[in-house]
Amino acid sequence: KQEVTQIPAALSVPEGENLVLNCSFTDSAIYNLQWFRQDPGKGLTSLLLIQSSQREQTSGRLNASLDKSSGRSTLYIAASQPGDSATYLCAVRPGGQNFVFGPGTRLSVLP
Amino acid sequence: ETGVTQSPTHLIKTRGQQVTLRCSSQSGHNTVSWYQQALGQGPQFIFQYYREEENGRGNFPPRFSGLQFPNYSSELNVNALELDDSALYLCASSSGGAQETQYFGPGTRLLVL
Repeated sequence: KQEVTQIPAALSVPEGENLVLNCSFTDSAIYNLQWFRQDPGKGLTSLLLIQSSQREQTSGRLNASLDKSSGRSTLYIAASQPGDSATYLCAVRPGGQNFVFGPGTRLSVLP
Repeated sequence: ETGVTQSPTHLIKTRGQQVTLRCSSQSGHNTVSWYQQALGQGPQFIFQYYREEENGRGNFPPRFSGLQFPNYSSELNVNALELDDSALYLCASSSGGAQETQYFGPGTRLLVL
């Protein structure tokens, strides 16, 4: 059974810092991995989708990497801003099934 | 192109009642998935519908059921509500295929008293 964990559970940083969020999954047989952002009480916004054949994806200040063999992904956020404050969720897609989500990392960026 | 919409936004029910949640998929998408997100946790997969047929189900009891209509909109029905059913219910649509991303709606917040 696929399980996804995320470290740290919560993170508080001053504005301008670069930071890394970690995601681990137990079964390397995945179609893809996706990072989402969720604001309090809201739905999910897709940030980056990495297919199983890819190593990384970049969008603006965000960079996500995937190491399937070790069951790990990282989300790098450069020059963090208060508007980046949210919960970041990592989700993997095992085979053709739907996403298996981690519990999320709650990020606070202080002005 | 319209995004995924869900209704209602909030709902309060009492234990034992039944509830129906609705989702309109993004234009051009034929696949709808439903997730339950308890407070402080990641979403849990309930089931998926593809072209009006159930196409996969998570670890949820039969009192969670669904429908997909010819226009690919969908309903989630929950019978005999329990206190633990209180959660944010998220709907996601996609054009099918395991390599396609899913686009999520804003969710319906259900509170069971």
